Amino acid sequence: AQKITQTQPGMFVQEKEAVTLDCTYDTSDPSYGLFWYKQPSSGEMIFLIYQGSYDQQNATEGRYSLNFQKARKSANLVISASQLGDSAMYFCAMRERWNRDDKIIFGKGTRLHILP
Amino acid sequence: GAVVSQHPSRVICKSGTSVKIECRSLDFQATTMFWYRQFPKQSLMLMATSNEGSKATYEQGVEKDKFLINHASLTLSTLTVTSAHPEDSSFYICSAREQGDQPQHFGDGTRLSIL
Repeated sequence: AQKITQTQPGMFVQEKEAVTLDCTYDTSDPSYGLFWYKQPSSGEMIFLIYQGSYDQQNATEGRYSLNFQKARKSANLVISASQLGDSAMYFCAMRERWNRDDKIIFGKGTRLHILP
Repeated sequence: GAVVSQHPSRVICKSGTSVKIECRSLDFQATTMFWYRQFPKQSLMLMATSNEGSKATYEQGVEKDKFLINHASLTLSTLTVTSAHPEDSSFYICSAREQGDQPQHFGDGTRLSIL
C-alpha cells in the first residue's frame, strides 16, 4: 500500500489564485514528519515546508502553508497568490521516526501549471 | 541555508564507461546521505542510504556491484555507476540531512546519458 498519496497528477490554475495540492499519508508511527518539495523543470529539489506530527500549529513559510489534519492523515499544501514561477512538480514526503534508516518516502507528485 | 553540491550536472558517455557522481554538503555535516534515481515524469526512487564510515544500505532491487557508494567523510558521498549501459540513463539526485528534524537538502541532480 502506498504510504504517500497525491491524487492530482496535474493541475491548471490561474495566476494569482490560491492553490491546494492534496496529500494523504499512511503510518502507524505516532511520530513522523511531513515535507513538501518543489521540483522545477531544471530538476533540482527545493524544500518548501515541514510539519511535525506533534506540532500544534499548521506550518507556514511565506506563501506556503500546510493544512495538517492529523485525524484525516492529510497534509495539503496551500500556495497563496500563485505566480508563474510556481509552475513545477510538487512532491509530498514523509519520514517516520521508527525508520532507523531515516528514509523519506515520496508521493508520485503533482504537476502544477500556472496560467497567465 | 544548508547547501548540497552535486557534480557533475550532466554526463554523456559511451556504454561500458564507469561514471562517478559526487555529493557534498557545503556548510553542514551529514552523517547520512541518500541517493535517488528519477525516471522522466516519475517520482524519486530511493536507491541507497549512505552512512559515513560504513557500508551503504541498498533498497531492494538495486544492484550493489552496479552502483557503488562511498561515504568517506561527513561532507562527501560518491555514487559510481560501473560499466554503465543505456538503461542506466536517468536523473540521479543526492540528498543530505543535518541532525534532528531537519529536512533533507538535495543536490541539483546529475543527468546521465549513456550512448
